[in-house]
Amino acid sequence: DAGVIQSPRHEVTEMGQEVTLRCKPISGHDYLFWYRQTMMRGLELLIYFNNNVPIDDSGMPEDRFSAKMPNASFSTLKIQPSEPRDSAVYFCASSLLGANYGYTFGSGTRLTVV
Amino acid sequence: SQQGEEDPQALSIQEGENATMNCSYKTSINNLQWYRQNSGRGLVHLILIRSNEREKHSGRLRVTLDTSKKSSSLLITASRAADTASYFCATDGYDKLVFGAGTILRVKS
Repeated sequence: DAGVIQSPRHEVTEMGQEVTLRCKPISGHDYLFWYRQTMMRGLELLIYFNNNVPIDDSGMPEDRFSAKMPNASFSTLKIQPSEPRDSAVYFCASSLLGANYGYTFGSGTRLTVV
Repeated sequence: SQQGEEDPQALSIQEGENATMNCSYKTSINNLQWYRQNSGRGLVHLILIRSNEREKHSGRLRVTLDTSKKSSSLLITASRAADTASYFCATDGYDKLVFGAGTILRVKS
């Protein structure tokens, strides 16, 4: 398996633009997580899915953020409109049986909003 | 919010020395996990220790867990320059993991 695949690796966009981050989890994993990493706040859980259903989105900072998982092999995180404070590294991770086993993380998307 | 707190925040050692990192947490757990993150990369799962276990080994890694003190430690023996990375502990809250702020380890060759 190629692991968790995220795209793009880097994204630079102007304030106000829409940004879409993509994630392909490991086949067979039933949980998918979106995290954001910044120097100030560390790793924050934004939202997670179980069997493609959103379970907890309490970490999503604002209504500008939305996430979908239309099928077991694809998820998106969208920011509309983007703001400079959204600049961070966004990670997608997948796992089997939630936190009972280790997570596999993607390489992340470094987002810069100017 | 961060459940786990790592200590120290940063650690610099010579190659061949042992490195010890500590993690304290607040609420009861089912398991505690340690991850490594190399600069510019995603996190990599190192080891998981369950609440009914006290010690676990994996290669040069040794993890201990003291649920009465709500603390864990990660020991890396005979460190190598390639061990230079950030190390995070993570505790489980229902289905999800909550990560600490991490310890930055630098191994000098």
